[in-house]
Amino acid sequence: ENVLTQSPGTLSLSPGERATLSCRASQTVSSSRLAWFQQKPGQAPRLLISGVSSRATGIPDRFSGSGSGTDFTLTISRLEPEDFAAYYCHFYEGSPQTFGQGTKVET
Amino acid sequence: EVQLVESGGDLVQPGGSLRLSCVTSGFTFSNYWMNWVRQAPGKGPEWVANIKPDGSIQNYMDSGKGRFTISRDNAKNSLYLQMNSLRAEDTAIYYCSAGLGYWGQGTLVTVSS
Repeated sequence: ENVLTQSPGTLSLSPGERATLSCRASQTVSSSRLAWFQQKPGQAPRLLISGVSSRATGIPDRFSGSGSGTDFTLTISRLEPEDFAAYYCHFYEGSPQTFGQGTKVET
Repeated sequence: EVQLVESGGDLVQPGGSLRLSCVTSGFTFSNYWMNWVRQAPGKGPEWVANIKPDGSIQNYMDSGKGRFTISRDNAKNSLYLQMNSLRAEDTAIYYCSAGLGYWGQGTLVTVSS
């Protein structure tokens, strides 16, 4: 099982600031099957990034994904009020698929 | 408009069974790997199971093997999860998803005496 560890657990920032979220995998992600989701209270997860760095349809370009091997990053270049939420990385190759424990971005 | 609507969640006693359903519309269901993902209260998502577009391959989380069965009916654009021998730790909102991008709003399963 590829365990994903996200850091920090909570990120306290203000609108307009840059957010950098980390996801470290216990095994190499050789297939680039690493995604990022955003989740707000009472809502289902929403896909932001797939394949490490490909933005999903309708996702603003202030969201970007990067990384390789075991270390991956989601960057939000300038936080908007609607970006304050929980973020999860997700490894989706084979079985079992895994999620990180999440980073909460709060103001 | 893409829609995934889960149903079947309920309060059930430990050791009991439930069958979850997910009815979909607005996309070509038979082209997608379908997933069940759950989320316990206050926790992150946890992948439960998935099934190949033609139904020929199913994968499960370790704690679900032998207890959960995922299935689909492409003629009805529907996904199912049969859950047996339920435990307190199975308590969660259960979401169905198509690939990565399409998600339902979830159905709540509570396992408690």
